[in-house]
Amino acid sequence: GENVEQHPSTLSVQEGDSAVIKCTYSDSASNYFPWYKQELGKRPQLIIDIRSNVGEKKDQRIAVTLNKTAKHFSLHITETQPEDSAVYFCAAGYQKVTFGTGTKLQVIP
Amino acid sequence: GAVVSQHPSRVICKSGTSVKIECRSLDFQATTMFWYRQFPKKSLMLMATSNEGSKATYEQGVEKDKFLINHASLTLSTLTVTSAHPEDSSFYICSGVRGMEETQYFGPGTRLLVL
Repeated sequence: GENVEQHPSTLSVQEGDSAVIKCTYSDSASNYFPWYKQELGKRPQLIIDIRSNVGEKKDQRIAVTLNKTAKHFSLHITETQPEDSAVYFCAAGYQKVTFGTGTKLQVIP
Repeated sequence: GAVVSQHPSRVICKSGTSVKIECRSLDFQATTMFWYRQFPKKSLMLMATSNEGSKATYEQGVEKDKFLINHASLTLSTLTVTSAHPEDSSFYICSGVRGMEETQYFGPGTRLLVL
């Protein structure tokens, strides 16, 4: 089955700086790579996703890149704000997804 | 659009009893629903994939006789934790997929505490 590794597990940045979270996956059949934001006690919220036929996707302050050859994908958040503080999960799969271990992002005002 | 609800949001039960959790897609037909379990400060672990009108597909290590899943309609899936024990205490989250899309829309989760 799919195995997804995510780094770092915790990340602290100053407000306004950028944050980068990286994930690797093992199954070359995976073709869907979503990123979720989860606040404490709440449901995961999809923030951006990318498919294997695309190398990069951007939505305002959030961007995701995918390197199929190396089997890794990254989330980039620019101009971070305190409300970006949460746990972020990457996921990878085909029809069903496997989640990464999560990154707790803290944006310091 | 694409709203998923879960009921109950919290449940406390005695060891040995069974608990049913409902997952409903409110404004779309969910051809597939997924059930996850999440321990505190941990990731989401897929328990099973549920397709309307067919038997659920369980992930390795998940006891199908303990975690009964029924997907009787395109808007409702239920997870029944049978003979619950304290180690079953967890946050259970469902998600629904609309048609042939890949995006999963998550429910708000159900926090189960077994005493």
